[in-house]
Amino acid sequence: SAVISQKPSRDICQRGTSLTIQCQVDSQVTMMFWYRQQPGQSLTLIATANQGSEATYESGFVIDKFPISRPNLTFSTLTVSNMSPEDSSIYLCSVGDPGRAGGYEQYFGPGTRLTVT
Amino acid sequence: GENVEQHPSTLSVQEGDSAVIKCTYSDSASNYFPWYKQELGKRPQLIIDIRSNVGEKKDQRIAVTLNKTAKHFSLHITETQPEDSAVYFCAAGSGTYKYIFGTGTRLKVLA
Repeated sequence: SAVISQKPSRDICQRGTSLTIQCQVDSQVTMMFWYRQQPGQSLTLIATANQGSEATYESGFVIDKFPISRPNLTFSTLTVSNMSPEDSSIYLCSVGDPGRAGGYEQYFGPGTRLTVT
Repeated sequence: GENVEQHPSTLSVQEGDSAVIKCTYSDSASNYFPWYKQELGKRPQLIIDIRSNVGEKKDQRIAVTLNKTAKHFSLHITETQPEDSAVYFCAAGSGTYKYIFGTGTRLKVLA
């Protein structure tokens, strides 16, 4: 499977500021996703990052709060804007490649642990 | 909306015993069912998956069964070992490649 990295691995931020998280894959992939995992909870899909077009957001998530870029098939960023303590969470990117992986498998990056004070 | 229910939320077993985790999904269009293992502080790792055209799949000590009529699928771990201790998540996916995750099961294998 692809090697996926995320930067930063963790950060502590002040409320009201923004943080951009990067996700880099070592090979081209069709699908990239961003998830949030709150402490002790399951994974919730934030959005699908679309190469060359606007991301597709899930219910409860909006572009103004979580702008996403995907300039090419190996890289994506998620920005958490105007942060509040409720944004403290682990943010994970995942990738899938229907052509290579058989259609449905997703593999996760190591995650970014965000704490907002 | 679509959801995936997962039970139990916690499970303790003696080393060597079997563990079973069950999930129920609501979306009839779901046709792919992966299971992830997440150790503390680590990323979720895909451990096994099943597609809707088969009823059972096995990989060494782990197996997954699927009952499409009842919309149930289960993870079976036999001969459990301490390193199986982790949180396990089921998920249901469809042709849109989006997953709905279950709430997770914390498995503790007692030595």
